[in-house]
Amino acid sequence: AQKVTQAQTEISVVEKEDVTLDCVYETRDTTYYLFWYKQPPSGELVFLIRRNSFDEQNEISGRYSWNFQKSTSSFNFTITASQVVDSAVYFCALSAYSGAGSYQLTFGKGTKLSVIP
Amino acid sequence: NAGVTQTPKFRVLKTGQSMTLLCAQDMNHEYMYWYRQDPGMGLRLIHYSVGEGTTAKGEVPDGYNVSRLKKQNFLLGLESAAPSQTSVYFCASEWNRDSPRSYEQYFGPGTRLTVT
Repeated sequence: AQKVTQAQTEISVVEKEDVTLDCVYETRDTTYYLFWYKQPPSGELVFLIRRNSFDEQNEISGRYSWNFQKSTSSFNFTITASQVVDSAVYFCALSAYSGAGSYQLTFGKGTKLSVIP
Repeated sequence: NAGVTQTPKFRVLKTGQSMTLLCAQDMNHEYMYWYRQDPGMGLRLIHYSVGEGTTAKGEVPDGYNVSRLKKQNFLLGLESAAPSQTSVYFCASEWNRDSPRSYEQYFGPGTRLTVT
């Protein structure tokens, strides 16, 4: 069975502060993908990043960076110099192939980030 | 490209009524999914389809049926709505597993359903 845990339910930061959103996952599969999605107040789900289990390189995209560590089963997301527009619910998700045609994308419960001006 | 669209955007049903939610995608994606989102629960998979004419159960399939008669459309049906089905429903689509962009799911804007 797959599981994604986002222990932080809500986080508030002041604008320009850095913030890290934690994600811990569980899977027995050796091949899997990890994702982050953003859900702004308007409600749509926006794809941010995909990382496969064989690529442990950290990734940076503008103010966003992701730290993938297989040793601790974590895939954390950092926003540098946060802005009010970053206020949203962020979901971490896992997709693993279990050999029986499993296609399920398992989501964490989300972390609500509020950036205060 | 319109991407993934969902119809309707909002709906209020009375207990016992039936309805169908329509999901359409114009990206020629092979796989399609229906999720529900409840407060504090994240998204949970209801049903999915890996191709035209195929469907399979997800994590929370009870009370729902689906059909994929055309590749671009995925229908979610509620035969007898219950208050527990009050939720936001998201449809998603994805290329097949041979694609270099496999595993990336693209979501529709959601349908907010209230069952009274």
